[in-house]
Amino acid sequence: DQQVKQNSPSLSVQEGRISILNCDYTNSMFDYFLWYKKYPAEGPTFLISISSIKDKNEDGRFTVFLNKSAKHLSLHIVPSQPGDSAVYFCAASAGGTSYGKLTFGQGTILTVHP
Amino acid sequence: EPEVTQTPSHQVTQMGQEVILRCVPISNHLYFYWYRQILGQKVEFLVSFYNNEISEKSEIFDDQFSVERPDGSNFTLKIRSTKLEDSAMYFCASGGQGSSEAFFGQGTRLTVV
Repeated sequence: DQQVKQNSPSLSVQEGRISILNCDYTNSMFDYFLWYKKYPAEGPTFLISISSIKDKNEDGRFTVFLNKSAKHLSLHIVPSQPGDSAVYFCAASAGGTSYGKLTFGQGTILTVHP
Repeated sequence: EPEVTQTPSHQVTQMGQEVILRCVPISNHLYFYWYRQILGQKVEFLVSFYNNEISEKSEIFDDQFSVERPDGSNFTLKIRSTKLEDSAMYFCASGGQGSSEAFFGQGTRLTVV
């Protein structure tokens, strides 16, 4: 099942610089997209989301961009901090009766170096 | 801040035994979910539960699995006869009305030996 794909298994960034995490999807029924952060031995923590009617959503240091024609979304973190080091998951939902049924990507390990 | 809590944090069970994983969702949430993550694999949807019934389930959620909300606060996942391949991290999640944002618990690591 490759409906949501994160092609970069890992990303290494210097503190203060921008982190860009990417995600592609194939299912045209997806209309809501979310990013989660996960530390070892913890559950995923919701970060930010975007509806398919928007192309950008911003919350503090986190911005998510959605390109529906390319079926691509990205998460920008700026400035990156060492505490941002974690696994980042992209997830998608088809809405309707499937509200909350999330399809996850395989995750990208972000390491922010001091 | 309200959170989803899961017990136990780690459960070891013999193959063929029944296990019950427990969750206390966020109190005003109406939608409840179970997900699992096998080591090294993606987080996978198992089941969603709303208005005291299953609203959707995946192919993984076969007759060996069941869910229950026995008392209005707990939400449980039962695996009737565990198999080695059921070993995984199981996450409970809950969501509010009209929201696709699911808030996850810290997980229960199930090890079937």
